[in-house]
Amino acid sequence: NAGVTQTPKFQVLKTGQSMTLQCAQDMNHNSMYWYRQDPGMGLRLIYYSASEGTTDKGEVPNGYNVSRLNKREFSLRLESAAPSQTSVYFCASKLDPYNEQFFGPGTRLTVL
Amino acid sequence: ELKVEQNPLFLSMQEGKNYTIYCNYSTTSDRLYWYRQDPGKSLESLFVLLSNGAVKQEGRLMASLDTKARLSTLHITAAVHDLSATYFCAVATNFGNEKLTFGTGTRLTIIP
Repeated sequence: NAGVTQTPKFQVLKTGQSMTLQCAQDMNHNSMYWYRQDPGMGLRLIYYSASEGTTDKGEVPNGYNVSRLNKREFSLRLESAAPSQTSVYFCASKLDPYNEQFFGPGTRLTVL
Repeated sequence: ELKVEQNPLFLSMQEGKNYTIYCNYSTTSDRLYWYRQDPGKSLESLFVLLSNGAVKQEGRLMASLDTKARLSTLHITAAVHDLSATYFCAVATNFGNEKLTFGTGTRLTIIP
């Protein structure tokens, strides 16, 4: 099993550009999550999907959109990137309420 | 709004010593997770604590949960250099549509 995979690993954008971060898991997990990690602030939840076909806002959803394409894939889109969105983005998945979330390797995004 | 506070934020300790990291949270929850993160890497699950009084141990690390005090501890016994990392606690809310709120992390450095 590859676990949780994310693409790309690194990305540099100019202000106003758009991009989609891809996440896929092969563990047949029901729930998927997107977080951002900024220095000194821990991880903050952007959006999550408790099951295929549902998505909910997390703590910091402004400027982002998500799509749960199927059970395996959960993408995060930045429509008009801003320097404040410079961060490391982690995708995670979880089987059920009794197990932990498993994290992908992260995407390091810089917005100039 | 759920607040999760870890202390200390930074901890430098000598090999062979014992220490405890504390995780306090502000709302009712009986599910708490501990993660480890090495520099530039993703998060690795350490412990899943699912009830009041839960205690888990793995090697030199032991985690416990007191839901009445809204407190979890991560105890390090006879620290070794390999334990140098950042440790996060994360508190779960909304059973069935779970969200995690992370603490800001404790950066642990073990000095030979």
